[in-house]
Amino acid sequence: EAGVAQSPRYKIIEKRQSVAFWCNPISGHATLYWYQQILGQGPKLLIQFQNNGVVDDSQLPKDRFSAERLKGVDSTLKIQPAKLEDSAVYLCASSLVLLSADNEQFFGPGTRLTVL
Amino acid sequence: AQKVTQAQTEISVVEKEDVTLDCVYETRDTTYYLFWYKQPPSGELVFLIRRNSFDEQNEISGRYSWNFQKSTSSFNFTITASQVVDSAVYFCALSGNFGNEKLTFGTGTRLTIIP
Repeated sequence: EAGVAQSPRYKIIEKRQSVAFWCNPISGHATLYWYQQILGQGPKLLIQFQNNGVVDDSQLPKDRFSAERLKGVDSTLKIQPAKLEDSAVYLCASSLVLLSADNEQFFGPGTRLTVL
Repeated sequence: AQKVTQAQTEISVVEKEDVTLDCVYETRDTTYYLFWYKQPPSGELVFLIRRNSFDEQNEISGRYSWNFQKSTSSFNFTITASQVVDSAVYFCALSGNFGNEKLTFGTGTRLTIIP
């Protein structure tokens, strides 16, 4: 079974530029998560989707970050414009169902973003 | 609000020694789940274990064991006879249930096994 796919793996941009990350979850997984992991810290949830609807985006900086999962499968996370403090690894995760005890999340390899 | 504390930032042990990674959590949920993830240098988070709040039995899986103590809100992880391949950052995480499934991670413990 294929795991969570993310691209690109690495991205270097200058501040004020825009960037987009893509995630394809494990087939059949209804729930998709985007996490931000700043160097030396644990991952922090940015947004959580159930199919194509947003469940939790309370920690998403909505003035510059946006995310969508239009068909309830793959997802795109965008930053526009980027700031230096956005340098981090962006992790995508998926799980089979929401509202279930069986809520193990499977993580992708992440996209490492460097903002110069 | 949920919180996970991993007080040990870095640990180094010589190969074959036993090592325990500490995790203390805070939550107001009566039903919750605790996790340990391993993050090797490649960066991908690898799931190790999930325990629910109603199951306080300790668990052993090969060289790994977990000690869940609700009375002290701790979920510690022990590696027996450590190996160089165990070198990684280890994260403890907490999630709620029924609408609060997001994972709250600790800051991680960097474990280095010295050959």
